[in-house]
Amino acid sequence: SYVLTQPPSVSVAPGQAARISCGGNNIGRKSVHWYRHKSGQAPVLVVYNDDERPSQIPERISGSNSGNTATLTISRVEPGDEAVYYCQVWDFGREVVFGGGTKLTVL
Amino acid sequence: QVHLEQSGAEVSMPGSPVKISCKASGGIFASSSIVWVRQVPGHGLEWMGGIIPKSGVTNYAQKFQGRVTMTTDGSTGTAYLEMTDLRVDDTAVYYCAKDPSVVEPVGTAFFDPWGQGTQVIVSS
Repeated sequence: SYVLTQPPSVSVAPGQAARISCGGNNIGRKSVHWYRHKSGQAPVLVVYNDDERPSQIPERISGSNSGNTATLTISRVEPGDEAVYYCQVWDFGREVVFGGGTKLTVL
Repeated sequence: QVHLEQSGAEVSMPGSPVKISCKASGGIFASSSIVWVRQVPGHGLEWMGGIIPKSGVTNYAQKFQGRVTMTTDGSTGTAYLEMTDLRVDDTAVYYCAKDPSVVEPVGTAFFDPWGQGTQVIVSS
């Protein structure tokens, strides 16, 4: 089955940029979606189809996807961005796959 | 604005079944699918499967095939997840979410919005 690999944690100071990677074999050929999950809350879609943003998500959150790595970038990180972020794809073998999640810590 | 409201927490015995619900507002059943995702404590998100309410077609993750049944009631706009033969390691928060696609198989698109989650505790 298809595997998505994310770093367990990323730490960044407020105002700096955070980059969260999602590795997978030829992931650039798939559509990647990203979710923000805060403890005790429902996950929230922040990027879909590699680089599109839902209307309520600010422009400082963006996505890219090429080769074997998709990346979620959060510019000018704020304390409220602290959460676990998951990438997700559709495996053409008929199943949804989530990455293991990356905990973003704002220092 | 679409909103998914899930049923309350459940405590079940090992070996018993559980059925949780997800009521959708906004009349989404005609134009979208419903998926179910769970999070076991200390673990990440895990996709369980989904259903196209308009046709009743389902797509279950291989891990859960034979143990889960997903259904919908169009008259009330409610989706259901039933899981049988519960085990202690099925203790988790279960989420429903809207998938904007009605193309088979279910799960090829993204999920937005999500319900608030239903805690299921399996314990003797």
